[in-house]
Amino acid sequence: EVQLLGSGGGLVQPGGSLRLSCAASGFTFTNYAMTWVRQAPGKGLEWVSTISGSGGSTYHADSVKGRFTISRDNSKNTLYLQMNDLRAEDTAVYYCAKTPSKYSGTYHFDYWGQGTLVIVSS
Amino acid sequence: QSVLTQPPSVSGAPGQRVTISCTGSSSNIGAGYDVHWYQQLPGTAPKLLIYGNNNRPSGVPDRFSGSKSGTSASLAITGLQAEDEGEYYCQSYDSDLSSWFGGGTKLTVL
Repeated sequence: EVQLLGSGGGLVQPGGSLRLSCAASGFTFTNYAMTWVRQAPGKGLEWVSTISGSGGSTYHADSVKGRFTISRDNSKNTLYLQMNDLRAEDTAVYYCAKTPSKYSGTYHFDYWGQGTLVIVSS
Repeated sequence: QSVLTQPPSVSGAPGQRVTISCTGSSSNIGAGYDVHWYQQLPGTAPKLLIYGNNNRPSGVPDRFSGSKSGTSASLAITGLQAEDEGEYYCQSYDSDLSSWFGGGTKLTVL
């Protein structure tokens, strides 16, 4: 059974940093690209970042480019999102999700984690 | 603001059929990128409902179907049930491989 367990969320001040983690199990982690999607309170879904199975290719939304970095440790079956220079508008539930391919292309997201809440506030 | 436009809300009585549209442009849906659909029930994570325009993952009832034409796509739900009430999102890609979600459509079962 595919399981994605997100963690690392919390309250952080504007300008601060946070690293989210997503522990994966139930599938061969290195064979699949992974992604982060966020949802601000009461709002819709927003794609944040995607990383290929090998970690060699990464993509970020313009809204987070230069501030957020997606990475993975295939030896630990874990996906990360390093978030720097956080702003109030980054407040959201952050979901990790799996794609059906090792390549970061135009794929859907077939399994989702439960989400971890990030609040940026002073 | 998303590049994919969905109606904010739709509603229907139990047993009825409803459709949810997702309108894009020549740089995303119209460029040939697939459309995927997700269901988000209250308080839960999104769940994949339709992938590749019209394919259902294992376990998704055949009451749910998808279609795509030109710069738009649609999700149809037949035999509406109370447990279908929730938010529905379309997803596709733009020419720079950025992924986009529609703004979401709230389905109310009357």
